[in-house]
Amino acid sequence: AQSVTQLDSQVPVFEEAPVELRCNYSSSVSVYLFWYVQYPNQGLQLLLKYLSGSTLVKSINGFEAEFNKSQTSFHLRKPSVHISDTAEYFCAVSGYFGNEKLTFGTGTRLTIIP
Amino acid sequence: DTAVSQTPKYLVTQMGNDKSIKCEQNLGHDTMYWYKQDSKKFLKIMFSYNNKELIINETVPNRFSPKSPDKAHLNLHINSLELGDSAVYFCASSQRGSGGAGELFFGEGSRLTVL
Repeated sequence: AQSVTQLDSQVPVFEEAPVELRCNYSSSVSVYLFWYVQYPNQGLQLLLKYLSGSTLVKSINGFEAEFNKSQTSFHLRKPSVHISDTAEYFCAVSGYFGNEKLTFGTGTRLTIIP
Repeated sequence: DTAVSQTPKYLVTQMGNDKSIKCEQNLGHDTMYWYKQDSKKFLKIMFSYNNKELIINETVPNRFSPKSPDKAHLNLHINSLELGDSAVYFCASSQRGSGGAGELFFGEGSRLTVL
């Protein structure tokens, strides 16, 4: 079984400042890792994913995350945030095998301060 | 054209009632899910169906019964509703075994309030 820890429940950041949302996972098998974003009153959307290959993955709107196997982390970063980035961000993990159950962290609310 | 659609979007009902939430996906995916998001935004998987076959059944009370008439539809029926059932229920779909494990497409959610 896998588990995900997002230590920061809320992160306030000034507009145009950099941000890092932390995610650590636990698993006894190899994993796939994901970041999902949930805008107010909407469903979740995939932001980016790590399946294999390069440990640095990027989204189309400037976010990036780096898979660090030794630290079992998959932190999400953006060098300069915008008001429109205000949302709830969920880190998620699934194993390679079995029924591919996706396990979510408890989420981090990112609030951008103008 | 909505990829994963759920109805109703809002549901307010009394304790003890029975209610259903419907979900349809037009992405051609073979796997569908129900997730429950509580008031603290915690997301927990409830069920998953692959080609109409139940493949994930988490620790969920028997009052919850999923039904998948075909691989494009997954409905959730809840009997004898309790206050603790109040939550947002998300339907999702994915294509299993495509290498995109965990690339779920979510509906907009159905907010259930039990009074």
